[in-house]
Amino acid sequence: DTAVSQTPKYLVTQMGNDKSIKCEQNLGHDTMYWYKQDSKKFLKIMFSYNNKELIINETVPNRFSPKSPDKAHLNLHINSLELGDSAVYFCASSHHGTGLEQYFGPGTRLTVT
Amino acid sequence: DAKTTQPPSMDCAEGRAANLPCNHSTISGNEYVYWYRQIHSQGPQYIIHGLKNNETNEMASLIITEDRKSSTLILPHATLRDTAVYYCIVRSSGSARQLTFGSGTQLTVLP
Repeated sequence: DTAVSQTPKYLVTQMGNDKSIKCEQNLGHDTMYWYKQDSKKFLKIMFSYNNKELIINETVPNRFSPKSPDKAHLNLHINSLELGDSAVYFCASSHHGTGLEQYFGPGTRLTVT
Repeated sequence: DAKTTQPPSMDCAEGRAANLPCNHSTISGNEYVYWYRQIHSQGPQYIIHGLKNNETNEMASLIITEDRKSSTLILPHATLRDTAVYYCIVRSSGSARQLTFGSGTQLTVLP
């Protein structure tokens, strides 16, 4: 029944490692997003993606890359993890035509030690 | 995108109406007003949106002033589960589809 799911829910890893967070939506949406929420609770867009267009927030380091095997999935790969990457990462999805009624996943809390 | 201003926090008694204001004085004609909320440790949740007319759904009502420079989200009978951060977002539907979240209003519903 879960509309937007993410795995894992918690991820603890060491600096320098490479990790991935998976996101799946079963809503039939064609656009997916990744957001980052830092310790001060500010929620910032990282990427939006559909099969035609990837929009990257210019503040996102190129160590972060979204990968979409199909329309229902948008995974987030992070290379060479840094302490400052510790945050909660949220996946979301929407219909391309509207875009603003987005459905969010439960979040993945990433802790880099 | 038009900037929004919300009070940082509000309290509301359980069972009473919660009225959350949002100022967006620089809103343009093609920009919608969206409301989301984030309950602690959960992902943001869409509540309602509108352009000019007042809107109502099963969760809330949205009142937009005639000049569209401000709006109010109304939770008619607040419950403890409505305690959350509420975000007012202004965005045109035709532009890049990312949502820009501000700091929102922390609503605390008191028993």
